[in-house]
Amino acid sequence: SAVISQKPSRDICQRGTSLTIQCQVDSQVTMMFWYRQQPGQSLTLIATANQGSEATYESGFVIDKFPISRPNLTFSTLTVSNMSPEDSSIYLCSADSPSGNTIYFGEGSWLTVV
Amino acid sequence: GQQVMQIPQYQHVQEGEDFTTYCNSSTTLSNIQWYKQRPGGHPVFLIQLVKSGEVKKQKRLTFQFGEAKKNSSLHITATQTTDVGTYFCAELTGNQFYFGTGTSLTVIP
Repeated sequence: SAVISQKPSRDICQRGTSLTIQCQVDSQVTMMFWYRQQPGQSLTLIATANQGSEATYESGFVIDKFPISRPNLTFSTLTVSNMSPEDSSIYLCSADSPSGNTIYFGEGSWLTVV
Repeated sequence: GQQVMQIPQYQHVQEGEDFTTYCNSSTTLSNIQWYKQRPGGHPVFLIQLVKSGEVKKQKRLTFQFGEAKKNSSLHITATQTTDVGTYFCAELTGNQFYFGTGTSLTVIP
């Protein structure tokens, strides 16, 4: 399975600021995804990070709020822009397996907006 | 993407008791996957079911896909404290993975 590293693992952010989360995979992967998980809740797909093109966003998520980069097959970033307390959550990076039938997750980035 | 519903949302069991979580969809699922997330951890893939009526076992865990491919279940026999966590079903639709609402399991020693 792929090893996925995320940073920061945890941060406390001021309202109105932006934070970029980095995700590094130890091997080339086709698909990378970003999820949000609020405490005690399920995982909500934010977007699919596409290599060489704009990310594909799920309903309710927009590029201006969550810009995503994917410069190559092993790396992606998610920015949470103009943060508010409602953005306090765990943000999880994931990548698909070579077969495409399952996904592996990073450890997550815990963001608290104050 | 659609969200698959899971029941129960929470379950407390005495160690040694059995546990079952159910995953239900209003539409036919092409496949179903199960993940486990330990407290403070990230989801970890357990298994994938693809065929109607499919049953797979992993030690004390039994996974089943319904005949109509609209529901699935995860059954744990004789729970242990190491089984604590949240169990999610998920569907692969196109290239995206959509997760169910999850069942949080607490095992009381």
